[in-house]
Amino acid sequence: AQSVTQLDSQVPVFEEAPVELRCNYSSSVSVYLFWYVQYPNQGLQLLLKYLSGSTLVKGINGFEAEFNKSQTSFHLRKPSVHISDTAEYFCARGVGFKTIFGAGTRLFVKA
Amino acid sequence: DAGVIQSPRHEVTEMGQEVTLRCKPISGHNSLFWYRQTMMRGLELLIYFNNNVPIDDSGMPEDRFSAKMPNASFSTLKIQPSEPRDSAVYFCASSGPGTGGGEAGGYTFGSGTRLTVV
Repeated sequence: AQSVTQLDSQVPVFEEAPVELRCNYSSSVSVYLFWYVQYPNQGLQLLLKYLSGSTLVKGINGFEAEFNKSQTSFHLRKPSVHISDTAEYFCARGVGFKTIFGAGTRLFVKA
Repeated sequence: DAGVIQSPRHEVTEMGQEVTLRCKPISGHNSLFWYRQTMMRGLELLIYFNNNVPIDDSGMPEDRFSAKMPNASFSTLKIQPSEPRDSAVYFCASSGPGTGGGEAGGYTFGSGTRLTVV
């Protein structure tokens, strides 16, 4: 089955430090990948998406992700995090009309 | 654009009662999805509609759950009778021809309804 795996359930990091949230996907001919962010008591918000083309995808709030076909990964990165980036982050892939979500990674930014 | 609107934001009900959750998708979006989020199981797709027609309801847990979309601007998710294990946050999301569905783009989520069944 087509799926995504988020390798870390929690990632604590200090403010202004870089961060990488890891996501691996099960291999397939066509891959459509997304990162969503969920702030406390809110719905999910699309951060960025990879459909085709350039493997480096830039999103909102200074986040970017790199599609790596050989490693079947789509890791999310930010060079310098803020306290306000504390949230849950979901990697996801599109399958037809559906979107399959990973289990989520809780990013906790400490002062 | 007001986004995807869900009501109520919070619902507390007693076991055995009927619960109805409501969703208004973004105008022009033709796909609508209901998700359930719990700590134990994460995000689960319950059902999705395309052009008001239910396409896949394989995620609906059991017959106590039902969903309708009578028109392009309104959908309901009903639980009857409710049970404590139904306690969760229920999200509605929509996507449209411009933004695409799962493969072509992304969803816009509502803020969710937090359901507590006591």
